[in-house]
Amino acid sequence: QVQLQESGPGLVKPSQTLSLTCTVSGGSTSCHNCYWTWIRQPAGKGLEWIGRIYTSGSTNYNPSLKSRVTISLDTSRNQFSLTLGSVTAADTAVYYCARGHYDSRRPLDSWGQGTLVTVSS
Amino acid sequence: QSVLTQPPSVSGAPGQRVTISCTGSSSNIGPGYGVHWYQQIPGTAPKVVIYADTNRPSGVPDRFSGSKSGTSASLAITGLQAEDEADYYCQSYDNSLYGWVFGGGTRLTVL
Repeated sequence: QVQLQESGPGLVKPSQTLSLTCTVSGGSTSCHNCYWTWIRQPAGKGLEWIGRIYTSGSTNYNPSLKSRVTISLDTSRNQFSLTLGSVTAADTAVYYCARGHYDSRRPLDSWGQGTLVTVSS
Repeated sequence: QSVLTQPPSVSGAPGQRVTISCTGSSSNIGPGYGVHWYQQIPGTAPKVVIYADTNRPSGVPDRFSGSKSGTSASLAITGLQAEDEADYYCQSYDNSLYGWVFGGGTRLTVL
């Protein structure tokens, strides 16, 4: 059973860069036809898809965040990472990492527990 | 403004049936991409309750069911129980955004 765990600073200053890592256990980030993704949820609001990376390394990003987001994959460490630049208070949210699939008929079937990132000086 | 549209809230008494709608477009639900439903208890990560429109993962009660028609999908919960009180999100793929999209979420209250 695949498990995911987010890690990174819980507090980031405005205009700085948010960096988070997701460590995968019980499975491989090299898995066939897998996508590794980041999703966030501001307090009291809905889920927002940030972006995803395929096992080949190709990426897709939410157009609303694309200019500030990078997702990378480190298969040797079985991890993938998120960087979000020029953060503001609007980026304060719980950030989740999750596993998805190339087949759209398969859901986001494994999620991390989420990590709260607060943007504040 | 979410790409998929859900009602903000629904409610029902124990034992009743409720449905939650999810309206999309010709770039997401319409072309036949799978629609998935997630249950989120506040403070926890979302959990799949329906995948690929109508399928239930093992361990999810058969009180949960899904349907899809055209550019819309629905989640139905029968025999409502207190433990069903949660937020529910629909999700699909969008071929104009080249990514996944979510509904805005629906808060289910069991009266």
